[in-house]
Amino acid sequence: KAGVTQTPRYLIKTRGQQVTLSCSPISGHRSVSWYQQTPGQGLQFLFEYFSETQRNKGNFPGRFSGRQFSNSRSEMNVSTLELGDSALYLCASSLVYQNGSGRASTGELFFGEGSRLTVL
Amino acid sequence: KQEVTQIPAALSVPEGENLVLNCSFTDSAIYNLQWFRQDPGKGLTSLLLIQSSQREQTSGRLNASLDKSSGRSTLYIAASQPGDSATYLCASWGGAGSARQLTFGSGTQLTVLP
Repeated sequence: KAGVTQTPRYLIKTRGQQVTLSCSPISGHRSVSWYQQTPGQGLQFLFEYFSETQRNKGNFPGRFSGRQFSNSRSEMNVSTLELGDSALYLCASSLVYQNGSGRASTGELFFGEGSRLTVL
Repeated sequence: KQEVTQIPAALSVPEGENLVLNCSFTDSAIYNLQWFRQDPGKGLTSLLLIQSSQREQTSGRLNASLDKSSGRSTLYIAASQPGDSATYLCASWGGAGSARQLTFGSGTQLTVLP
């Protein structure tokens, strides 16, 4: 069973440019979430998508956006890049299940290897 | 806002030793807590998921417990091996509705000496 695939693995951009990262989830997983990892801030949640809709969002500026397609693949976009956007961007996929309260809950997360972005 | 703390930040043990990693969180209304390991330059590998209705999960030499009332989770590693050397992270889902988000601890860097 194929794991979570992220492309590209490495990329270099300059300030002011924009970047699009792609994530293909494990087959059957409909939830995709994105994270930024930096030495200073650690791992931070960006957003989660489920059935092509953004379900949850972390505390990042509007320059960070994402979308999910009907096949559950997801992309995230960062516009007007800043030096501080240099990071490892990770995506994770999961199943979604009904919890005891009848709410849709995100299950176990499976991560890709990440896309390492360097902004010069 | 949910805060997740992991202690210690780094740990070095001789091979064969049993060890415990700690994770504490501020929002007791979490609904999942998950433990991961991360090798340098790599993504995260899922170790154990504990749902809010559960108190512990076991996989091989690993056992994770969850005590929501005290806001704590522990990861127990039995008979440690050099291959266990990695950074271990815990993460919990907290908040409500659209404000729900996953919060990670800063990790414990484990070194198992041969």
